[in-house]
Amino acid sequence: AQKITQTQPGMFVQEKEAVTLDCTYDTSDPSYGLFWYKQPSSGEMIFLIYQGSYDQQNATEGRYSLNFQKARKSANLVISASQLGDSAMYFCAMRRLNTGNQFYFGTGTSLTVIP
Amino acid sequence: SAVISQKPSRDICQRGTSLTIQCQVDSQVTMMFWYRQQPGQSLTLIATANQGSEATYESGFVIDKFPISRPNLTFSTLTVSNMSPEDSSIYLCSVESTVYNEQFFGPGTRLTVL
Repeated sequence: AQKITQTQPGMFVQEKEAVTLDCTYDTSDPSYGLFWYKQPSSGEMIFLIYQGSYDQQNATEGRYSLNFQKARKSANLVISASQLGDSAMYFCAMRRLNTGNQFYFGTGTSLTVIP
Repeated sequence: SAVISQKPSRDICQRGTSLTIQCQVDSQVTMMFWYRQQPGQSLTLIATANQGSEATYESGFVIDKFPISRPNLTFSTLTVSNMSPEDSSIYLCSVESTVYNEQFFGPGTRLTVL
């Protein structure tokens, strides 16, 4: 079974500092994609960043970067220069690329940015 | 990215009644997905809806409780039938992008069952 683990239920970061949100995954499939989503209190799910299992470089998207360590099966999200608007729930997700369409979501990490 | 709208955005319903949630996409898509997010929980896939065929339900979800329609390539509905307080959740529809195969989500429907 596919599994996504986010071990940090809640995180705090000072404004303008960087923060790392942890995500580990478990799959025997060699071809998969890893995703991070942000869910503000309003409830919508906002796609942030994607990492493919065969990608050689870590994905970056503005202030978001993904620290992909394939051997350790981890895909941590790094947010640089935190802003107050970054306060939200963050979900890590995985999708097997060759079989099926289902996304597997982690339990989420609540990030609070402190002024 | 696709623009997805959902109606209603929120509702408060009585036990035993049914609610139909609408999902509209601004472009034609093959598959649409329905998720449930119970309070303080992660997202769980309810079913995948393909146009012109029966929806495919995940383990733990049945058509009698969550009937889905997919009349065309831009629209789908999810009905939550015979509701109980345990059905209080956010219900989200999503579609798949062709860029990274990421899913774009609608704004969600917050359902409270009394």
